[in-house]
Amino acid sequence: DSGVTQTPKHLITATGQRVTLRCSPRSGDLSVYWYQQSLDQGLQFLIQYYNGEERAKGNILERFSAQQFPDLHSELNLSSLELGDSALYFCASSPQGDEQYFGPGTRLTVT
Amino acid sequence: GQSLEQPSEVTAVEGAIVQINCTYQTSGFYGLSWYQQHDGGAPTFLSYNALDGLEETGRFSSFLSRSDSYGYLLLQELQMKDSASYFCAPLQHDKLIFGTGTRLQVFP
Repeated sequence: DSGVTQTPKHLITATGQRVTLRCSPRSGDLSVYWYQQSLDQGLQFLIQYYNGEERAKGNILERFSAQQFPDLHSELNLSSLELGDSALYFCASSPQGDEQYFGPGTRLTVT
Repeated sequence: GQSLEQPSEVTAVEGAIVQINCTYQTSGFYGLSWYQQHDGGAPTFLSYNALDGLEETGRFSSFLSRSDSYGYLLLQELQMKDSASYFCAPLQHDKLIFGTGTRLQVFP
């Protein structure tokens, strides 16, 4: 158990819909990272927050957005969902960037 | 530009030694991390090399050569449970760059 929690574990929704994925980092970790992992693809870095502020952005679509709240939990919002958005979404937290602790992931299926 | 290369698949037998190579090209390089991911699971941290040389953690060792933009993960005394995907991930500032990983299959 990494100490990072993610909810929900599974999510099935239709194209065009909007969903919110939630992540609670390990106690004391200020950084939260979001990744997308599609079938046969590696982990794609989406976005990083540090203590409530956006720190780095990766290949995140404009339809996707995230935020980190004062209690350090983070949410990833995915809107106007397309079939290609079906993937595993991981959240990770870290005290510094070198060692990241990943949550169990949210499996999103868009039908 | 930015690039990351590691073999897509490696096979070995139990008890053997396997080396997974990684070459990278990235700006703002801080160090090289390695992660393991079992099918259906989350990536878990294995090692991090900030400096050139070999870091050993039990059966696993990781090596970095900054001048060659090259690193490797060495797995010794392979066990069936080592069957998984292994990702090298350069640390760029405080962001990890992951590729598609190397799938290791260990056979009895």
